[in-house]
Formats: sequence, C-alpha cells, structure tokens
Amino acid sequence: AQSVTQPDIHITVSEGASLELRCNYSYGATPYLFWYVQSPGQGLQLLLKYFSGDTLVQGIKGFEAEFKRSQSSFNLRKPSVHWSDAAEYFCAVAQLLTGGGNKLTFGTGTQLKVEL
Amino acid sequence: KAGVTQTPRYLIKTRGQQVTLSCSPISGHRSVSWYQQTPGQGLQFLFEYFSETQRNKGNFPGRFSGRQFSNSRSEMNVSTLELGDSALYLCASSLFGGPGQPQHFGDGTRLSIL
Repeated sequence: AQSVTQPDIHITVSEGASLELRCNYSYGATPYLFWYVQSPGQGLQLLLKYFSGDTLVQGIKGFEAEFKRSQSSFNLRKPSVHWSDAAEYFCAVAQLLTGGGNKLTFGTGTQLKVEL
Repeated sequence: KAGVTQTPRYLIKTRGQQVTLSCSPISGHRSVSWYQQTPGQGLQFLFEYFSETQRNKGNFPGRFSGRQFSNSRSEMNVSTLELGDSALYLCASSLFGGPGQPQHFGDGTRLSIL
C-alpha cells in the first residue's frame, strides 16, 4: 500500500529564512505527488503538483518542490519565508483505484511556525 | 470561477442523531471526493462519486453514506452519530477524478458531537 511520511511534525523558521519541508513516499508506480497547505479553520489549498517530466516543479506563493525518485522524496522549498506562510503543510500521493477514480493518501502534516 | 462550497461550516449534534453535509463542486467538475480530518487519524478518504455513482469507498462503517446529483453536487450523510465522528469533513472536486487532475478542496464542515 502506498504511504507518505512527513518526518517533521513542527518546524520553526525566522521570517526571511529559507525553508525545506521533507516528504517521503512509498508507491509502486510513477507517483502523482502534491503539496497542500492548510491555514487554521480552512480547507486545503493546492501549492503544486508533480506528474512527470521536469523534476523541479514550481507552485504558487513562491514554493517549489523537487522529485527525487532514487530517494523517494518530494521535498518542498521556499527561498525566503514570509510570516503569512505559517500554516500546516501536507504532502500527498494519488492512488489509482479499481473503481476508476483515485484517492489522495496524505502525510501527517508539518506545522510551520514563522518567527518575526 | 467559484471554488468548492461546503455547507454548513459548523454543526453541533448529539450522539445518535444523523447529519447531512453538502458540497457544491467547481463548475464543470464531475468527480467529488470526501475526506475526514481528525487530530488522531489525520486525513482519511471516505468515498468518491462520479456521474451520480459511488466509484470508490474508504474504510469507514456503513453509517457513512453519500450521493451525487445530476448537477454534480454531493451530499454526505452520517447516521447514528458517535463521539468519534467529531471531525472536519472536507469535500474535494476534480474534472473526472483522474490521478493527474488535482483535487480542489472546500473549507470543510466542522462537525462536533456532544
């Protein structure tokens, strides 16, 4: 069965510092990978996605992620964090289902705190 | 383009009652999925609907059910509510439910069971 691991439950960075959130996945085939962000009291907002092709993908809000098949990783990065980036971040992999659709399997999330 | 709309945003129920949650997908999206989010279990897949048919179901008891209408709007029903059903219920829509089509989420319905 596929799974997603986010090793860091909490991360604190200073505003303006760089950020890297780790994500490792377990999936037999070529993975469809996603990063979502969730602010308090809100749903999940899609930051970026990887399906195939270029292993470095750009997303919204200045985020990027790099797919490394050899390490089964899909880490999220941002060169300079803003206070408004404080939120919870979820990595997810899409699994094809026998019924014809798919479901997202999520990691446990990383809570990002930004110090001013 | 309007996003995914979930109503109501908050619900308070007591044990044994039943509840219905509503989800309106992004215009043109035909696949609707439901997820449950709790502090202990995280985000878990409930079920997915496409063209008014439940295509897939997660590992939840039969008390959890849903349906989809011809306009792609979906409802989720939970009967005989238990304390453990307290959660944020998220609805997501995509064009046809393919893995390469990102799922777009609503803001959720926060269900509290007393």
